[in-house]
Amino acid sequence: ILNVEQSPQSLHVQEGDSTNFTCSFPSSNFYALHWYRWETAKSPEALFVMTLNGDEKKKGRISATLNTKEGYSYLYIKGSQPEDSATYLCASTRSARQLTFGSGTQLTVLP
Amino acid sequence: SQTIHQWPATLVQPVGSPLSLECTVEGTSNPNLYWYRQAAGRGLQLLFYSVGIGQISSEVPQNLSASRPQDRQFILSSKKLLLSDSGFYLCAWSSQGGADTQYFGPGTRLTVL
Repeated sequence: ILNVEQSPQSLHVQEGDSTNFTCSFPSSNFYALHWYRWETAKSPEALFVMTLNGDEKKKGRISATLNTKEGYSYLYIKGSQPEDSATYLCASTRSARQLTFGSGTQLTVLP
Repeated sequence: SQTIHQWPATLVQPVGSPLSLECTVEGTSNPNLYWYRQAAGRGLQLLFYSVGIGQISSEVPQNLSASRPQDRQFILSSKKLLLSDSGFYLCAWSSQGGADTQYFGPGTRLTVL
């Protein structure tokens, strides 16, 4: 069983603050790491897929980094806005097999 | 463009009753299809995945089964629901395997009473 852990479980920040959360996963036989954003009453939406150690991806104010040797990924949000409020899920896969999701970080951005 | 549909959106069923949830994908051929469940306070758990018609892999032993009668149709079933089957069920598709983005449907909220 692949163990994917996310921290913190929940987070409240003020509008304009920058924030980050962590996803840790087993580094052996690593294949890919996914980040998804899941807003209330909507479907999970893909943010990034990363495969290479040292990968860094950016989408607007959101960016992610990947360290496959130590088994962690960080998701950063710069200048948080209320519309960033959502649950952020990471998922890892070994050797092209199926995704194992973490339990998510629930972000609330206060106006 | 590709779209994924799930129905029903919500369902309330008594314990012991059967279940059938349907998922269909449009705009793509031979997708990988997935059923996930989110139980209360927990993350997404992969239940079943399928790489082709009639090919189903189960990730966890449970009271549920899945079938893929057509290329773009994925069905989640149960003969007799348990209270523990309550949760939010998501269907997803991807072009290939683990390094491909998965695209999720709108989900079904199942409450078993």
